Amino acid sequence: QSALIQPPSVSGSPGQSVTISCSGTTSDVGSYNRVSWYQQSPGTAPKLIIHDVTLRPSGVPDRFSASKSGNTASLTISGLQAEDEADYYCTSYRSDNTCVFGTGTKVTVV
Amino acid sequence: QVRLVESGGGVVQPGRSRRLSCAASGFVSRGYGMHWVRQAPGKGPEWVAVIWHDGTKQYYSDSVRGRFTISRDDPKDTLYLQMNSLRVEDTAVYYCATEDGDFSHMGSWGQGTQVIVSS
Repeated sequence: QSALIQPPSVSGSPGQSVTISCSGTTSDVGSYNRVSWYQQSPGTAPKLIIHDVTLRPSGVPDRFSASKSGNTASLTISGLQAEDEADYYCTSYRSDNTCVFGTGTKVTVV
Repeated sequence: QVRLVESGGGVVQPGRSRRLSCAASGFVSRGYGMHWVRQAPGKGPEWVAVIWHDGTKQYYSDSVRGRFTISRDDPKDTLYLQMNSLRVEDTAVYYCATEDGDFSHMGSWGQGTQVIVSS
């Protein structure tokens, strides 16, 4: 089961915007609106920040937004803050009734 | 407040078995599907298995299918992962998480329990 493809790293200055892509296939991202995004800091469990492609859970800042086009989903962090420095993972439901994670992207605030 | 607490991790020899538990509190766990997700040292998370809210369906990743079994005991608010024929590559922190949608996202996570498979 191949992972969804994400860039290994992105960086930005405080206040800037960064976008992370998540590339899948017609068996997952391209066919289902069941894409979610997780933020993970070292030594902690992943935290849900986006679900069902674009929806933010209560308590997640609105500087986190997401979208999908074809087989690729994207997460944008606007107004980057130091506390946003973390690893980010996308996931998608897959047609064989499994779930697949992305390869992960390290966001660095420079 | 949703709380998930995993237990049962430790060091186990290759080929042996181990059962992980995930105790749920603060919500009606029987209303939720539940996942196991693992994370090997220095790697990203890997989905392992899911069980439906009513226990009627279970699905597994290719890497554990046939060796691992997910189950739940709702009166005890506990999720299990029975791991058989363990391999070195099963070494990871194992997390349980709630399925908060239609097999679409994992809303709440435990703190994880570490499993080390080594001779």
